[in-house]
Amino acid sequence: DTGVSQNPRHKITKRGQNVTFRCDPISEHNRLYWYRQTLGQGPEFLTYFQNEAQLEKSRLLSDRFSAERPKGSFSTLEIQRTEQGDSAMYLCASSLGRHTEAFFGQGTRLTVV
Amino acid sequence: AQKVTQAQTEISVVEKEDVTLDCVYETRDTTYYLFWYKQPPSGELVFLIRRNSFDEQNEISGRYSWNFQKSTSSFNFTITASQVVDSAVYFCALSEGEVGGSQGNLIFGKGTKLSVKP
Repeated sequence: DTGVSQNPRHKITKRGQNVTFRCDPISEHNRLYWYRQTLGQGPEFLTYFQNEAQLEKSRLLSDRFSAERPKGSFSTLEIQRTEQGDSAMYLCASSLGRHTEAFFGQGTRLTVV
Repeated sequence: AQKVTQAQTEISVVEKEDVTLDCVYETRDTTYYLFWYKQPPSGELVFLIRRNSFDEQNEISGRYSWNFQKSTSSFNFTITASQVVDSAVYFCALSEGEVGGSQGNLIFGKGTKLSVKP
């Protein structure tokens, strides 16, 4: 297994456009997390899936954000009507258990111009 | 409320020096988990260690060691004989237990940027 994979690595989009990111977790991990990281800050939790069920969403996740994990495998994070404030690194992580170590992907860096 | 504080924003050392990165946490849970991650310039967070709140034993792994003290709510990280490859941003993180309702998501500090110069 090559670890957690995220695509694309970089995305530049115009304000108002929609963007979608993909995350492929480690295959045997049933837990999947999305985080957002801005410059000079630690990652902030956005949402969590156990298998295909989205079980928790942060208040950071506005109505413009939606995430899915069909069939409990890969996950997608979509941002609609992007704003400049959405510019950040979006990180995906997966883990085996509730408090076991999470393995992170390399992230998708979003720039909204 | 749960919180992780890494007061040192940036540290610069010369190779072979020892360096300690501080981490102070806040939680009302009696069961919780503490982590350290390394983020090199490539951006991927690399897991270093996980500790549960019932295990206060210090841990050593090669040049890395961790000091967990519940009395001061601290979980500090020391690198002995630092090397240039240790240059990265280091994050301390907290995951609360059942009472906090955590699903295992991590609460991160703001990170400490370590620069090791040759």
